[in-house]
Amino acid sequence: GAVVSQHPSRVICKSGTSVKIECRSLDFQATTMFWYRQFPKQSLMLMATSNEGSKATYEQGVEKDKFLINHASLTLSTLTVTSAHPEDSSFYICSATPGSENTEAFFGQGTRLTVV
Amino acid sequence: GESVGLHLPTLSVQEGDNSIINCAYSNSASDYFIWYKQESGKGPQFIIDIRSNMDKRQGQRVTVLLNKTVKHLSLQIAATQPGDSAVYFCAENWGTGRRALTFGSGTRLQVQP
Repeated sequence: GAVVSQHPSRVICKSGTSVKIECRSLDFQATTMFWYRQFPKQSLMLMATSNEGSKATYEQGVEKDKFLINHASLTLSTLTVTSAHPEDSSFYICSATPGSENTEAFFGQGTRLTVV
Repeated sequence: GESVGLHLPTLSVQEGDNSIINCAYSNSASDYFIWYKQESGKGPQFIIDIRSNMDKRQGQRVTVLLNKTVKHLSLQIAATQPGDSAVYFCAENWGTGRRALTFGSGTRLQVQP
């Protein structure tokens, strides 16, 4: 199947600093990628839809100025958590779908962010 | 934020037994469903999918059943193995074009050797 690669897999940062997470589609082009957040023992919650060449669409309650998304190419979307605080500690996962129709979504390996 | 004390439903089975994991969905417009397996610290891994024009689909050791009348989805795993231990999520989508999946709450499967 298609491969989505996410980096880094783990990051620890100090409160107040910013962290960038990369999501790459390795063998297909993705004009749309999705960013999810997952807290322990919970399901995946959609944060935002990343659109190549245009602004991201954020879900209700997700601060766009805090979670900056850039989708500058057809194979790369980045999520930057700005001025991170301990409550931002979570598991962040990206996904992308090859093609234009609703088919299986492929997920990155996830990034465990710990803010200390 | 995080819900303190929230626990995933857990299904515990013996190795070799069959497992059935259930999922209820709420959007009657959903027409595409996927089951994912998530191991600790990893992203979801595709298991099997089904579209709404079908009520059953089989893969290798797995079967997905869809009951649109009661908006219910199930995943059956035959001859469950210790490597099947993980959290299983159902996900749904609808319409054409790319939309984000909506995930169910998940079930933890524990396989006892």
